[in-house]
Amino acid sequence: GAVVSQHPSWVICKSGTSVKIECRSLDFQATTMFWYRQFPKQSLMLMATSNEGSKATYEQGVEKDKFLINHASLTLSTLTVTSAHPEDSSFYICSATLPPTSDEQFFGPGTRLTVL
Amino acid sequence: AQKVTQAQTEISVVEKEDVTLDCVYETRDTTYYLFWYKQPPSGELVFLIRRNSFDEQNEISGRYSWNFQKSTSSFNFTITASQVVDSAVYFCALSGLSNDYKLSFGAGTTVTVRA
Repeated sequence: GAVVSQHPSWVICKSGTSVKIECRSLDFQATTMFWYRQFPKQSLMLMATSNEGSKATYEQGVEKDKFLINHASLTLSTLTVTSAHPEDSSFYICSATLPPTSDEQFFGPGTRLTVL
Repeated sequence: AQKVTQAQTEISVVEKEDVTLDCVYETRDTTYYLFWYKQPPSGELVFLIRRNSFDEQNEISGRYSWNFQKSTSSFNFTITASQVVDSAVYFCALSGLSNDYKLSFGAGTTVTVRA
């Protein structure tokens, strides 16, 4: 149980285009979903916390207009990188928490974004 | 504020050697959780262990063992008789109420096991 999927697993796009990444909890309804970004040889950095039906909470330094997060249902959150540029190339990972507690996160397999 | 320090950037060992990964944390919470994750080259995070702050018992799972020392705020991880498949980046992480249970990750330690 507690499986989280991401789609796509990798994507290559041209500079200036927008890319949408989906995060789904497959066998449970997630209270909260998180989005992380990981640059090569670095740690995971939390970008935002997403709760179903409400606006995402962004971490300091993360541009909310550039990284649009939509959490339309208890099993799906999407991250859209708008007007992507090469510096947005990174590994994006989502996670979800299993109700009723929020103290353990289950991670998706990640999406590798390359912006040309 | 929460902080996790993994002072070792890279460790290289020969197969069958033991390797210990250090993790030191800072938190003002009295109740908190500590985690270890493995990230192989494929990128997917693999959950290894979760420990709450009230359980200081050391744990062993196969070749893996963890030493939680609350007095020194450390949660070290040992791989016994390492294998090539253990080559990965290992992250220690911390979560607590003061940070809404958001995970704070250490910088990670890259373990390379040579045949």
